[in-house]
Amino acid sequence: DQQVKQNSPSLSVQEGRISILNCDYTNSMFDYFLWYKKYPAEGPTFLISISSIKDKNEDGRFTVFLNKSAKHLSLHIVPSQPGDSAVYFCAARFYNQGGKLIFGQGTELSVKP
Amino acid sequence: EPEVTQTPSHQVTQMGQEVILRCVPISNHLYFYWYRQILGQKVEFLVSFYNNEISEKSEIFDDQFSVERPDGSNFTLKIRSTKLEDSAMYFCASSPTGVSGYEKLFFGSGTQLSVL
Repeated sequence: DQQVKQNSPSLSVQEGRISILNCDYTNSMFDYFLWYKKYPAEGPTFLISISSIKDKNEDGRFTVFLNKSAKHLSLHIVPSQPGDSAVYFCAARFYNQGGKLIFGQGTELSVKP
Repeated sequence: EPEVTQTPSHQVTQMGQEVILRCVPISNHLYFYWYRQILGQKVEFLVSFYNNEISEKSEIFDDQFSVERPDGSNFTLKIRSTKLEDSAMYFCASSPTGVSGYEKLFFGSGTQLSVL
């Protein structure tokens, strides 16, 4: 099942710079996309989301961009901070399927001071 | 901030034994979920539960699995006869709304199940 893919298992960024995490999907029936952050020994924590009818959503340092024609979304973190170091999961939801999320493999972000 | 709590944090069991994983969802939430993550793999949906019944389940959630909300606060996942391949981190999650809203899921810290 490769409906949601995060092709970069890891990303290293300098503190203060931009982090860009990418996610691709294959199913056009997804109507809602979410990013979760996960620290070791903790559960995933919701970060930001975007509806399929939008192309951008911003919340503080975090912005998610959605390109429906390319079936691609990205998470931008500006400026990156060492506390942002975590695994980031992209997730997608089918129309009308509530909390059944399809997750990507995750990208481990390391922000170096 | 309210949180989803899961117990135990680690569970070791012998193959063929029954295990019960416990969760206390956030108190005013109505929808409850179990997900799991096998080491090195994706987080996978198992089941969703609303109004005292399963609303959706995945192919993984076969007859060996069951869920229950035995009282007003707990939500449990039972695996009747564990197999080696059931070893995974199991996450409980809850949300205030389900299909109708663009709600986010709140996850617990997980129970690491090891089947020997």
